[in-house]
Amino acid sequence: AQSVTQPDIHITVSEGASLELRCNYSYGATPYLFWYVQSPGQGLQLLLKYFSGDTLVQGIKGFEAEFKRSQSSFNLRKPSVHWSDAAEYFCAVGDPFSSNTGKLIFGQGTTLQVKP
Amino acid sequence: DADVTQTPRNRITKTGKRIMLECSQTKGHDRMYWYRQDPGLGLRLIYYSFDVKDINKGEISDGYSVSRQAQAKFSLSLESAIPNQTALYFCATSDPGTELHFGNGTRLTVT
Repeated sequence: AQSVTQPDIHITVSEGASLELRCNYSYGATPYLFWYVQSPGQGLQLLLKYFSGDTLVQGIKGFEAEFKRSQSSFNLRKPSVHWSDAAEYFCAVGDPFSSNTGKLIFGQGTTLQVKP
Repeated sequence: DADVTQTPRNRITKTGKRIMLECSQTKGHDRMYWYRQDPGLGLRLIYYSFDVKDINKGEISDGYSVSRQAQAKFSLSLESAIPNQTALYFCATSDPGTELHFGNGTRLTVT
């Protein structure tokens, strides 16, 4: 069955420290890959996406993610976290053989807390 | 971002009541979606629509129905609400091959 796992439910980092959020997927082929962020009381905003090509993807707000086929992973990274990065982060996958890129399977989410 | 607007933002209702959540968009996208968010479960797809005449069930459509009144409007109905439908509901839009654009959500509580 297709699935997405975000192993860390909660992560706490100090402001200025580096961040890595993990995402592993189970899918029959290399899926479309997404990271979304949800701030309190807000909808989800796209941070970055991977469809094909360069496996290191740059996104908004200084985030990047690396697709590793051998590990079925798409981990999100940021070199220096800001207090405003505190939010919930979702990894999601989509069917690479469909143009319906809105039909996604989401991970459980990781809540990021930033210490001053 | 008011491109995808959901109403109401919060709603408390009683078991057995019929309730409708509404979504409108100004992004001009043909595709619209309803997702449900539960703590620890992420988001799950309820229904999606490619146009006014094309409605499709998602992963968890039981107990829900939808109506696509126009290209810009997509409503979600709970015919007889039950407590385990308490959740945060998101409407989203997209174009073919592009990412989802979300509204700010409707928090529904069924007592």
